[in-house]
Amino acid sequence: AQSVAQPEDQVNVAEGNPLTVKCTYSVSGNPYLFWYVQYPNRGLQFLLKYITGDNLVKGSYGFDSEFNKSQTSFHLKKPSALVSDSALYFCAVIGGFYTGGFKTIFGAGTRLFVKA
Amino acid sequence: DTEVTQTPKHLVMGMTNKKSLKCEQHMGHRAMYWYKQKAKKPPELMFVYSYEKLSINESVPSRFSPECPNSSLLNLHLHALQPEDSALYLCASSQPQDRGTTEAFFGQGTRLTVV
Repeated sequence: AQSVAQPEDQVNVAEGNPLTVKCTYSVSGNPYLFWYVQYPNRGLQFLLKYITGDNLVKGSYGFDSEFNKSQTSFHLKKPSALVSDSALYFCAVIGGFYTGGFKTIFGAGTRLFVKA
Repeated sequence: DTEVTQTPKHLVMGMTNKKSLKCEQHMGHRAMYWYKQKAKKPPELMFVYSYEKLSINESVPSRFSPECPNSSLLNLHLHALQPEDSALYLCASSQPQDRGTTEAFFGQGTRLTVV
């Protein structure tokens, strides 16, 4: 079964410092990996995805991620954190394709706090 | 227009009430989804509609009844809910996977409280 794991419940970083939110995956076949962000009392916003191609994926709001097959990782990174980046981040994987749709499986989530 | 709109934003209902959650998108997406999210937990898939037909039902209790009247609208009818059904209900849409895209667009959610 496809799954993702986010080992950290919370990440704290100072504004201006680089940030990393960790994700490891377990998939059979080709991985479809995603990052979504959720601000308080809001829905999820898509940040980036890896399906095939270049292992380095650039996403929205200055975030990027690197697909690492040997370490089965897909960490989310940003070179310089902003206070406004404080939110809940979900790593996700497509768990299955069905007629016309798909099932997204989310990791447990990592809360990012950026301190001014 | 890249929005998924959900109404109402907040809903309080008694256990004997009947209510409906509504979701609308105008991105031409032909797959729509209902997720349930408890506090500090990830969203869990409930239903998937594809081309207005129910594609996936993740063993959801019958007190939740989805409906997709057309390609832009998705409803979730609620009846005889329990307090443990209180959660954030998220609607999402996407292109069907046969069109090659796999990211979902989410609405802001409906915060449901069952009393």
